Amino acid sequence: KNEVEQSPQNLTAQEGEFITINCSYSVGISALHWLQQHPGGGIVSLFMLSSGKKKHGRLIATINIQEKHSSLHITASHPRDSAVYICAVGRGTGTASKLTFGTGTRLQVTL
Amino acid sequence: GAGVSQSPRYKVAKRGQDVALRCDPISGHVSLFWYQQALGQGPEFLTYFQNEAQLDKSGLPSDRFFAERPEGSVSTLKIQRTQQEDSAVYLCASSPGRNTEAFFGQGTRLTVV
Repeated sequence: KNEVEQSPQNLTAQEGEFITINCSYSVGISALHWLQQHPGGGIVSLFMLSSGKKKHGRLIATINIQEKHSSLHITASHPRDSAVYICAVGRGTGTASKLTFGTGTRLQVTL
Repeated sequence: GAGVSQSPRYKVAKRGQDVALRCDPISGHVSLFWYQQALGQGPEFLTYFQNEAQLDKSGLPSDRFFAERPEGSVSTLKIQRTQQEDSAVYLCASSPGRNTEAFFGQGTRLTVV
């Protein structure tokens, strides 16, 4: 079993829909990251959180430490949101956290 | 530049050839990570530098893989005698310090034929 599990693996939505991507992890973490990867490989950090909730524009990330679960929500989805969304957990304490990644959720938003 | 820069973006190598992949982190970033991402998979940790010190190389898959960061800025990942299973995107990330947000480069896509 992977230490970081994401669901769904693939997601197709129509423009305007509310989207939720889930991430569960099985290890102790220092922080959880949500990342976006477009075709061509570039990865952009969306959120880094260790508790509660963060919001940036149409994106919202929440984390429940007790349940070892996080969700990424996209409100009013748009075709430009189409990408792979990756959940990753950081586990270091004394040194910088190396990340353990989920396999990603491929999102396609259609008109 | 403002971001993490990796070169080359694409590399095709014949099996058995040695390759060197370069990462220019964001200026002043202490931490530098290398990750390997196979097709359709999430990235996997290879190695970590704090300044010039390689503090963790537990993810390097074999002794054919070697990384260095001699002056605490630019890093090079070298793969000797490449094999087909080395084909992947190699990602570099840097961060300002401990447990801070990571900034990723565009990656180098290595194809071994």
